[in-house]
Amino acid sequence: GESVGLHLPTLSVQEGDNSIINCAYSNSASDYFIWYKQESGKGPQFIIDIRSNMDKRQGQRVTVLLNKTVKHLSLQIAATQPGDSAVYFCAENIGGGADGLTFGKGTHLIIQP
Amino acid sequence: DAGVIQSPRHEVTEMGQEVTLRCKPISGHDYLFWYRQTMMRGLELLIYFNNNVPIDDSGMPEDRFSAKMPNASFSTLKIQPSEPRDSAVYFCASSDRGSEQFFGPGTRLTVL
Repeated sequence: GESVGLHLPTLSVQEGDNSIINCAYSNSASDYFIWYKQESGKGPQFIIDIRSNMDKRQGQRVTVLLNKTVKHLSLQIAATQPGDSAVYFCAENIGGGADGLTFGKGTHLIIQP
Repeated sequence: DAGVIQSPRHEVTEMGQEVTLRCKPISGHDYLFWYRQTMMRGLELLIYFNNNVPIDDSGMPEDRFSAKMPNASFSTLKIQPSEPRDSAVYFCASSDRGSEQFFGPGTRLTVL
């Protein structure tokens, strides 16, 4: 079946560097994509979202890029800080958000001092 | 707003026992979602409600699982009888008109 998946389970970066977390999706009907951050012992926390009519969206220190041609989604975190250590999930939805989300497996981001 | 509230935060029970997980969504949100998270399967949608009505329960594993939403401020997820393979973290999330979903802190369930 179609699913959302992540390329790398663990990403280690130096503090202050930029981080890029990738996600591949296979359902061409998906039109809403979200990145969540989950810290240990907590629920997923919304970071940023993007709809299929856009290819880039920026937030505070984060940027999401969407390439519909190759069905690829990425999350860029600028100037990575120790507090960015967490598991990052991409999620997809059909219908613009008014349904349950399909989550990828997650990438564990580790910040090296 | 206190955010999505779930109780209990931790539940340890024995196989065969009934388990009830509770959720209070953010006030004013009209969508409520139940998810389950395990190491093997990640985050999976179990069921979701819109205006207290179940819309999609295709993710509910089997008949031992049931969910209700008697009013806009309360939902329950019940497992009866519980089995060790039900051990997981169960999350409740809510959203306003299908926008960003806000997750609760989760209930960690251990079935012995």
